[in-house]
Amino acid sequence: GQNIDQPTEMTATEGAIVQINCTYQTSGFNGLFWYQQHAGEAPTFLSYNVLDGLEEKGRFSSFLSRSKGYSYLLLKELQMKDSASYLCAVRDDKIIFGKGTRLHILP
Amino acid sequence: GAVVSQHPSRVICKSGTSVKIECRSLDFQATTMFWYRQFPKQSLMLMATSNEGSKATYEQGVEKDKFLINHASLTLSTLTVTSAHPEDSSFYICSARATGETGYTFGSGTRLTVV
Repeated sequence: GQNIDQPTEMTATEGAIVQINCTYQTSGFNGLFWYQQHAGEAPTFLSYNVLDGLEEKGRFSSFLSRSKGYSYLLLKELQMKDSASYLCAVRDDKIIFGKGTRLHILP
Repeated sequence: GAVVSQHPSRVICKSGTSVKIECRSLDFQATTMFWYRQFPKQSLMLMATSNEGSKATYEQGVEKDKFLINHASLTLSTLTVTSAHPEDSSFYICSARATGETGYTFGSGTRLTVV
């Protein structure tokens, strides 16, 4: 079966760094996505990893280890606007989403 | 980047009526589109995969006769919620991927409220 796990909620301070972990067990694997979703809005694409290693894109970085079924999203220099849900999603023949991590940023 | 347009953004309907939601790829052709449903504070649950010119593929537990999907062209997929009931109230969202793009683009979503 398909299973994607990530923490339900996290809290961090403005200006700090936070790492959101995601573990997955899926029948197939063709890449892992991270999306950001603000309340009541559509998800927006953040990153995509298909090979092991770290992908850096500005303040956001995403890491993948296929052998461990593990990924993380790293957010640096946190801003208040980063308060949102972060969704980990795995692509097999379709895209399956984890339940999302609600990130709260404190001033 | 690729844009997916979804309409309506909000709809309120009476119990027992049907509601149609449209999903359009504005600047690319999408042979495959995906329909998701999201309940409050929960993640996106894949309902079905919409394939242009053929029948949609539904996820386990999703009633194909209740959630009718039509993908008649390479830029348009529609989801019709038939005989809607209050428990169908949810956020419905579609997505597609343009050739050459890495990520899947989502429509803006439709907030359906059945009263």
